[in-house]
Amino acid sequence: DTGVSQDPRHKITKRGQNVTFRCDPISEHNRLYWYRQTLGQGPEFLTYFQNEAQLEKSRLLSDRFSAERPKGSFSTLEIQRTEQGDSAMYLCASSLSGGALGEQFFGPGTRLTVL
Amino acid sequence: SQQGEEDPQALSIQEGENATMNCSYKTSINNLQWYRQNSGRGLVHLILIRSNEREKHSGRLRVTLDTSKKSSSLLITASRAADTASYFCATILTGGGNKLTFGTGTQLKVEL
Repeated sequence: DTGVSQDPRHKITKRGQNVTFRCDPISEHNRLYWYRQTLGQGPEFLTYFQNEAQLEKSRLLSDRFSAERPKGSFSTLEIQRTEQGDSAMYLCASSLSGGALGEQFFGPGTRLTVL
Repeated sequence: SQQGEEDPQALSIQEGENATMNCSYKTSINNLQWYRQNSGRGLVHLILIRSNEREKHSGRLRVTLDTSKKSSSLLITASRAADTASYFCATILTGGGNKLTFGTGTQLKVEL
């Protein structure tokens, strides 16, 4: 499968615990994005990388959230001290700079439930 | 925050009928895209229309864009049960970098 993959697909955790999600983009894509989607809403942008550089962060990304893309390939999103309000689907997408004016390819998402 | 609203929020039709969904947005855009999301899964890109285009076709899909009204519509012709999904419009804002700003979505149900 040469699409965007995310791991894990589901995560249940207790409030206060830390969680980490991984995203593997399409191999030749240099841009990687994280979005969050709550029930009944459209996805909301969190952050994006071009290669290993984090170029933009949303105000939604509180200081409990950190994202990395150390070698410009896979990315991780960590949430520290999780809260019930963090329960959502976390979506990763990738794209090629200069390609198709912004078409992004999405992974299947990681569904987080904070108890 | 969401860029705008989609209308209707939910739509139920019979197989073979056409489905029309509307999207409104608030600020100047570079392009507008439509994505489909099957229940609880990732999004699939359907079609992209540039801000200087008015209409675009792809298979059974027809998209229109009216920048003066800041609105777009997606028409799915001859719908099939497999078209049942949520549909989202998303915009790349002028000067907004590369992030997508999504609408609230339309849930389409196509019944046999």
